[in-house]
Amino acid sequence: QVQLVQSGAEVKESGASVKVSCKASGYTFTSYGVSWVRQAPGQGLEWMGWISADSGNTNYAQKFQGRVTMTTDTPTSTAYMDLRSLRSDDTAVYFCARSIVMGGSHYFDPWGQGTLVTVSS
Amino acid sequence: SFELTQPPSVSVSPGQTARITCSGDALPKQYVSWYHQKPGQAPVLVIYKDTERPSGIPERFSGSNSGTTVTLTITGVQAEDEADYYCQSADSFGTYSVFGSGTKVTVL
Repeated sequence: QVQLVQSGAEVKESGASVKVSCKASGYTFTSYGVSWVRQAPGQGLEWMGWISADSGNTNYAQKFQGRVTMTTDTPTSTAYMDLRSLRSDDTAVYFCARSIVMGGSHYFDPWGQGTLVTVSS
Repeated sequence: SFELTQPPSVSVSPGQTARITCSGDALPKQYVSWYHQKPGQAPVLVIYKDTERPSGIPERFSGSNSGTTVTLTITGVQAEDEADYYCQSADSFGTYSVFGSGTKVTVL
């Protein structure tokens, strides 16, 4: 079955970087994109950006431009999200999701299990 | 910036119908998807392309679109439907995806 499995929880100090991985299985990795979404404690979902697993093209939310890099490794069907200059308000659960095009937008199915990133000040 | 507006909460008795709205200026141009999320779990897609239901999602979940407002309807609510529900779409150019603020559905 289609599945995304993410790396484990991370604890980082303020100013550091974190790299979260997302390994896909059960489908042709390069036929879809991968989006990253985060959720701060008790808050809603926030879209961070998208990467095409075929071309490597990316599209980042304005809020994260300059601080986030999304990459993929096709031989291992793995996507990565690298967030730099971490602040306490980056403490959140980070999700990856298979991104499927529908008209001019995307929908996300399925999702990874989430990775908790805690930033200590 | 593009925003999607949802009511913070909806309460419904078992067996009744719950309706959750999502409004935004770009909705006439872009499809909407809906997700539910239970505490400590990842979101799950329940509706895509405004009205389509993924395989495995019960028929009691349906979506509709009336221009700048889309609606997720749960007909015959069950206790297991208690969750947070999020709509999701994109800006007019399809550049950025965005989620609504979420609606907590409480089954009384």
